[in-house]
Amino acid sequence: DIQMTQSPSSLSASVGDRVTITCRASQGIRDDLGWYQQMPGKAPERLIYVASSLQSGVPSRFSGSGYGTEFTLTIDSLQPEDFATYYCLQHNSIPFTFGPGTKVDMK
Amino acid sequence: EVQLVESGGGLVQPGGSLRLSCAASGFTFSDHYMDWVRQAPGKGLEWVAHIGNKGVGYIRHYAASVEGRFTISRDDSQNSLYLLMNSLKIEDTAVYYCGDLGRSPIGNWGQGTLVSVSS
Repeated sequence: DIQMTQSPSSLSASVGDRVTITCRASQGIRDDLGWYQQMPGKAPERLIYVASSLQSGVPSRFSGSGYGTEFTLTIDSLQPEDFATYYCLQHNSIPFTFGPGTKVDMK
Repeated sequence: EVQLVESGGGLVQPGGSLRLSCAASGFTFSDHYMDWVRQAPGKGLEWVAHIGNKGVGYIRHYAASVEGRFTISRDDSQNSLYLLMNSLKIEDTAVYYCGDLGRSPIGNWGQGTLVSVSS
């Protein structure tokens, strides 16, 4: 199975900060990676697909990059509604696997 | 508008069964591979099951934790996805979501349906 790790596991940031979250795969997954945001008590919503494509309707302050085993999610100018938990997902091979999540909270 | 609506969750005793449904609209459901994902209370996300489209013979895959107990299926004429869950265990307690996890630009999930397994 492909293991997904995320760093950091949590971070504290302020409105306006630039935030970067890293996701690493235990083996190469091309660009078969998505990023999801989950607010407390809500369903996850996809922000980024195929590593760097912005999901329709998602603000342009979110961006993704990477290929193979290392990927990043960047939030430029963090907004109050961005305080949430973020997950990466690899869908390159079965079983699909999620990272453990990164919780972004207010400093 | 793309929409996915899960239903069928509830309280069930260990060893019992439930059938979850996912009603899709706003996109060509039959073209898409579909998945079930779950989230236990206070935990992260776990992929559960996958079904391909007609073009790949509706191939199915399962997480090891549910293999042999859960069955994923679809009815393209009804734009619906299903998850039949048998021999339920306490550790199957979770919110279950349906969606397309792959490369498609359509990455919506539903709001989820809660399955509680308890005696």
